[in-house]
Parts: sequence; C-alpha cells; structure tokens
Amino acid sequence: EVQLVESGGGLIQPGGSLRLSCAASGFTVSSNYMNWVRQAPGKGLEWVSVIYSGGSTYYADSVKGRFTISRDNSKNTLYLQLNSLRAEDTAMYYCATGSDSGGYWGQGTLVTVSS
Amino acid sequence: DVVMTQSPLSLPVTLGQPASISCRSSQSLVHSDGNTYLNWFQQRPGQSPRRLIYKVSNRDSGVPDRFSGSGSGTDFTLKISRVEAEDIGVYYCMQGTHWPQTFGQGTKVEIK
Repeated sequence: EVQLVESGGGLIQPGGSLRLSCAASGFTVSSNYMNWVRQAPGKGLEWVSVIYSGGSTYYADSVKGRFTISRDNSKNTLYLQLNSLRAEDTAMYYCATGSDSGGYWGQGTLVTVSS
Repeated sequence: DVVMTQSPLSLPVTLGQPASISCRSSQSLVHSDGNTYLNWFQQRPGQSPRRLIYKVSNRDSGVPDRFSGSGSGTDFTLKISRVEAEDIGVYYCMQGTHWPQTFGQGTKVEIK
C-alpha cells in the first residue's frame, strides 16, 4: 500500500525557514515525479514544485528562489526547504504523486507564517 | 499558464439525483504524445484530495462507477450518476499537459 506522510510544519515568523518532509512507503520516490501542492485556509489547490525521476526540478513563480525541492533516495523521502517565508505562504502543504497505477496524496502538514 | 475554469462553483444536489461539473481550459490539453492529461480530484471536508479520474475518463481503483469523466480538447465534464451523502465535498479539475500544472477553482457539492 502506498503511503505518503508529511511532517515539519509549524508556526514560523515572517522571514524564517522550515524544512518539510514527505516519507514514502509502498513505492520509490525516485521512480516517479513528486509534487508539492499547497492549500491556503479556505482556498483552492496551488501547485508549488515538482521533482522528476531524472532529478529535474521546477517551481511556481510565487516560490521560485525561496523554496527548494529535493529527495533522499536512501531514506525514500521528499523534502521542501522553505526560506524567506511570507504570510501568504501560510497553507497546508501536501506531497503528491501519480501515474496510471494510482494517484497518491499525503495528509498534509500545516505551515503558519505569522509574527 | 493554462487557466482552468470550473462551473458551477457551488452545486446544491439532491441525494439520488445526478450531478455534473464542467471544466474548461484556456488551451487544448492534448499533449504532443497524444494523451490528454486532465484529472479530477475530490476533497471531502477535513481530508486530503483524492484522485478520482485520470486522463479524462479513467477511474482510479476503488472509485465508484457512479463517477465518470468525459470531454476532449478544452471542454471536460465530471458526472455523478446518483449522488450519495459521501460525495459531499469540493471537486477540482487539474491539467498536467502544459507546465506548470494548474487546478480549477473547485466546485463545492452540497446537499440541497
């Protein structure tokens, strides 16, 4: 059974940093693309970043230069480093992946940026 | 970026009756590889999104057959043949043909 478990969220002051983790089981994170998607309170879904199996990474314009996606194949874990955080980054952050075999989302980790 | 426009944004439904959600894209979603990467997601209250449909019309494992997806090019539809109480939530379409992938605004399905 595929499982994605996010962690690392919390309350952080503007300008601060956090590292989110997404631990995968039941499949290999390096074998498929892995996304981070966020959802501000009461709002819709917003794609944030992707890392492909070959290692290529891409970012939404709203986070480019501030967020960094990476993975540790030995730990089968996806990461998102969040720097220079702003109030508008407050959201639930989900890791997600999909293929013709299935679409998978974690339960999310909440990031709150506030002083 | 490709803009995904859903309608309606709010859909009051009667249990046992059909429901339909439209999703239109600002560009054709036909990829150069011949596939159309249009997915539908369901988000029940307090839960993570769940993929229901991939590549326009393919139901994910475990998704009831009352859900169906159709469409082509720029015009897509999610249909629920008979709404059940567990279908309440927000539904999103998402395109993965053009970078970056983009979501529709969401359609809230609620009981009338």
